[in-house]
Amino acid sequence: ETGVTQTPRHLVMGMTNKKSLKCEQHLGHNAMYWYKQSAKKPLELMFVYSLEERVENNSVPSRFSPECPNSSHLFLHLHTLQPEDSALYLCASSQGRSNTDTQYFGPGTRLTVL
Amino acid sequence: GNSVTQMEGPVTLSEEAFLTINCTYTATGYPSLFWYVQYPGEGLQLLLKATKADDKGSNKGFEATYRKETTSFHLEKGSVQVSDSAVYFCALSDQSNTGKLIFGQGTTLQVKP
Repeated sequence: ETGVTQTPRHLVMGMTNKKSLKCEQHLGHNAMYWYKQSAKKPLELMFVYSLEERVENNSVPSRFSPECPNSSHLFLHLHTLQPEDSALYLCASSQGRSNTDTQYFGPGTRLTVL
Repeated sequence: GNSVTQMEGPVTLSEEAFLTINCTYTATGYPSLFWYVQYPGEGLQLLLKATKADDKGSNKGFEATYRKETTSFHLEKGSVQVSDSAVYFCALSDQSNTGKLIFGQGTTLQVKP
């Protein structure tokens, strides 16, 4: 596998379920990100991790819980979500967090909350 | 705060037509500017970037020039193909070095044969 991979690609869950999204980067990068892409809204940064430490939490509700066990893996744990949380969740990674560093994106997980 | 504004879509062109997608930004200092492309069912791919004023980014026939005086980073291509049909996102990363990308709303391009 190369680049940034995400699993599952599609997820349907009820509001009382608990599920997790997984992201893995094979680029040797030190920073990882979660973004939310909703219809008709710009991409929203949710979380930033640098060397496994969370450095940004962009006012995200606590029903979203990130975890970064090592520099290659990033998880997003989901519980008691709302229908308005239905969106495409994108993971990205970059070598560093300099403003010249390019972020590389995975294909995303399409989440539907019923 | 920092922001990016893109022209509203969708943009529909015939094959071999000239493409311009406008992007303007608001930011303090000297941000880096990016164009990403999202093909159907896929994540975002970097198309090109520019990190300082007057830089021109280019890739796959696409170009964009970082214009500090007009705070713009318009995307252009001389002759589009059907395979260029996608959603294009303009983004900036400011000098705070937090890794935070600010995206525009995206512009859908449809190229017809």
